[in-house]
Amino acid sequence: DADVTQTPRNRITKTGKRIMLECSQTKGHDRMYWYRQDPGLGLRLIYYSFDVKDINKGEISDGYSVSRQAQAKFSLSLESAIPNQTALYFCATSDLWGTLNTGELFFGEGSRLTVL
Amino acid sequence: GESVGLHLPTLSVQEGDNSIINCAYSNSASDYFIWYKQESGKGPQFIIDIRSNMDKRQGQRVTVLLNKTVKHLSLQIAATQPGDSAVYFCAVNGGYNKLIFGAGTRLAVHP
Repeated sequence: DADVTQTPRNRITKTGKRIMLECSQTKGHDRMYWYRQDPGLGLRLIYYSFDVKDINKGEISDGYSVSRQAQAKFSLSLESAIPNQTALYFCATSDLWGTLNTGELFFGEGSRLTVL
Repeated sequence: GESVGLHLPTLSVQEGDNSIINCAYSNSASDYFIWYKQESGKGPQFIIDIRSNMDKRQGQRVTVLLNKTVKHLSLQIAATQPGDSAVYFCAVNGGYNKLIFGAGTRLAVHP
């Protein structure tokens, strides 16, 4: 089983609909992230959470919200989807940066969202 | 803020040749750099990282070179294999456990 699981893997929706992408992890990491991937733009950080009570905006948080329901679960919501939110979304986790002296993120397999 | 750019969106090499993928960053204070590999239909996977107190680090068939003077990072893959075909991203520490990613280079390995 994957350590970082995203659901759904693919979703087609219409403009104005509310969409939730869910992420769960079995790695026991405190830190979780949501990234968006667009062709030619790499991965851009939407939101990140360092623990259950900590939520932070990334570089492109407008139009998105998140919820950290538990250490293992981090969901991303689009309250009213629009076509330019069509993208591939990745959830990622990491351990405590400073302690392990590494910046390795562990990514899920992605959720492809199409907004018509 | 920090920005990360890759020099080539695509790179084609012959199987067995060495591949070099380049990356430039903007913030001279950046202290941590990391390369990821993304295969088709999958999430990115860690390849190798390097800190700013080093200029070279080697892994299995991969070497990362860091030139802080010109703010340039490269990933070298020795004896490139078909399984190396993927999109490669460099990422830079953009502040407390946040990575800023480049746009990616697609590596195509031909027999």
